[in-house]
Amino acid sequence: SQTIHQWPATLVQPVGSPLSLECTVEGTSNPNLYWYRQAAGRGLQLLFYSVGIGQISSEVPQNLSASRPQDRQFILSSKKLLLSDSGFYLCAWRTAHTQYFGPGTRLTVL
Amino acid sequence: DAKTTQPTSMDCAEGRAANLPCNHSTISGNEYVYWYRQIHSQGPQYIIHGLKNNETNEMASLIITEDRKSSTLILPHATLRDTAVYYCIVRVSLSSGSARQLTFGSGTQLTVLP
Repeated sequence: SQTIHQWPATLVQPVGSPLSLECTVEGTSNPNLYWYRQAAGRGLQLLFYSVGIGQISSEVPQNLSASRPQDRQFILSSKKLLLSDSGFYLCAWRTAHTQYFGPGTRLTVL
Repeated sequence: DAKTTQPTSMDCAEGRAANLPCNHSTISGNEYVYWYRQIHSQGPQYIIHGLKNNETNEMASLIITEDRKSSTLILPHATLRDTAVYYCIVRVSLSSGSARQLTFGSGTQLTVLP
């Protein structure tokens, strides 16, 4: 069966520091992958999606970036975190009919 | 994507059926009804989806009215672990090739009481 992993589970970072969040998927090949952010008490905001290695589409202009170095690996990065980057970051992959989400990374920027 | 309307919150006694309604009066013919839930501090979990016919899986049943303007998610025997925010989403099938996001509204906070 397919499994999606995210790490770290929680992260506390100072403003201006870099960020790297990792997402990996098992049990499938060539998945469509997504990065979402959920601010406290808010809905999901799509940040990036990828249909294949090296193919990244950005939905919202921001100081975040994404990369897909391998088929089942999706990385979310930032060179300098802002306070507004705090939130719950979710990776998801798409099947023919729906999306499945990872456990998430809770990021607090201080 | 069609707009959905759900009650803000609902309570259900443990062991009883939980019936969560969703109105989607502007649904288009090619749009599906999806249900997800999000337990506190976890990622959203897919529950079930359907187009016209009623659907059942190991988690829940989905009842869609004949005019498709509303639906009900049924958890047949609610447990404390079913306490979560439940989201009803209406959109075209993800198999359509679009990489568009899932748009979650405010959902229904279901609290299962012991």
